[in-house]
Amino acid sequence: DTAVSQTPKYLVTQMGNDKSIKCEQNLGHDTMYWYKQDSKKFLKIMFSYNNKELIINETVPNRFSPKSPDKAHLNLHINSLELGDSAVYFCASSRTSGGGNNEQFFGPGTRLTVL
Amino acid sequence: QKEVEQNSGPLSVPEGAIASLNCTYSDRGSQSFFWYRQYSGKSPELIMFIYSNGDKEDGRFTAQLNKASQYVSLLIRDSQPSDSATYLCAVNGGNKLVFGAGTILRVKS
Repeated sequence: DTAVSQTPKYLVTQMGNDKSIKCEQNLGHDTMYWYKQDSKKFLKIMFSYNNKELIINETVPNRFSPKSPDKAHLNLHINSLELGDSAVYFCASSRTSGGGNNEQFFGPGTRLTVL
Repeated sequence: QKEVEQNSGPLSVPEGAIASLNCTYSDRGSQSFFWYRQYSGKSPELIMFIYSNGDKEDGRFTAQLNKASQYVSLLIRDSQPSDSATYLCAVNGGNKLVFGAGTILRVKS
């Protein structure tokens, strides 16, 4: 049973299109995250939700809009895709949002390529 | 100044040797520290976390933390070719993890 799953695994699309990535976790965690990993492998947090409430919103273009219908799901919608959006997007979850030994479990990633 | 710094490598070690991976961080208030391993094309997976000064051992892996020097390291004993991966250091900054850019480790057989 996959702990954190994402769909699709690969996404190839044209500039200007709108696309969504879905994430689900079956770990019973309260907190979920979206990360972007660029071509240099730098992993940077974009958003975090704790029990459906947005708690982290890093400096991300407002073309990116996360949605959490329940605490097991966190989706990412991207409008007007640009070439610079090409990256691997990882979803992750953790038991809580607090500090301490709050291990994050990552999904398999979605490789987005914008042509 | 980057919040979490790692040498990008690649760090090359022969099979059976000790690989030493280092990480420095800027936030003195950081409480917990994580090492993730990421194979090419895969997602990061947690190897170890540490929150107390000193050493923490788990199998072939030892994490070392020195909060005064704002330094955390990961030692891999008896390195195997299967250890070849990118190792990401992450620091808990409140309610989020801040990752370093990762160190590429290559273990040559």
